[in-house]
Amino acid sequence: SQQGEEDPQALSIQEGENATMNCSYKTSINNLQWYRQNSGRGLVHLILIRSNEREKHSGRLRVTLDTSKKSSSLLITASRAADTASYFCATDAGNTGKLIFGQGTTLQVKP
Amino acid sequence: SQTIHQWPATLVQPVGSPLSLECTVEGTSNPNLYWYRQAAGRGLQLLFYSVGIGQISSEVPQNLSASRPQDRQFILSSKKLLLSDSSFYLCAWSETQFYGYTFGSGTRLTVV
Repeated sequence: SQQGEEDPQALSIQEGENATMNCSYKTSINNLQWYRQNSGRGLVHLILIRSNEREKHSGRLRVTLDTSKKSSSLLITASRAADTASYFCATDAGNTGKLIFGQGTTLQVKP
Repeated sequence: SQTIHQWPATLVQPVGSPLSLECTVEGTSNPNLYWYRQAAGRGLQLLFYSVGIGQISSEVPQNLSASRPQDRQFILSSKKLLLSDSSFYLCAWSETQFYGYTFGSGTRLTVV
């Protein structure tokens, strides 16, 4: 079953613009994670935000978490062509140690 | 530092043939190990996960099985492949549920 759902499914922007992706989930979580996947490759862990945190930064990435709305957003500032990839949110399913992934947002950054 | 190895990168197998995909982790002990499958343009579907040697949990009833013969080795198998088994298979490990996953580079399986 899907826990996280990303929005939008696809996003196309110009280099230098900011990209915002949203994720909604259904059940309570311990943490929410964002991953990046280049075409045909494995996923790369970007950032983890715990349920008691509201915002986290890592370089050009900013993640917010609103547990009351069961939603998260990933902001990539000053995007670059190299940011072109698919981005997935993932939530843990209780205390099982399993991550459930959403369908992803495909980001295209045009040079 | 920890590394994860997954092979082969690509595989073309006939229908009805067996399958064995291997994943190994280096630089850590007693990792949580996972097998995911990803259809083209879609999200990841959890197939199996393991918190220790011989401990395998199956998420989706299907034509596949998993084994963990050693602490840092995770194997995905099938006795007879189906056309519907064609997909991108990803192995991952984590220390605990509170840490991010590290993924292997994936195996593109095509069943013909």
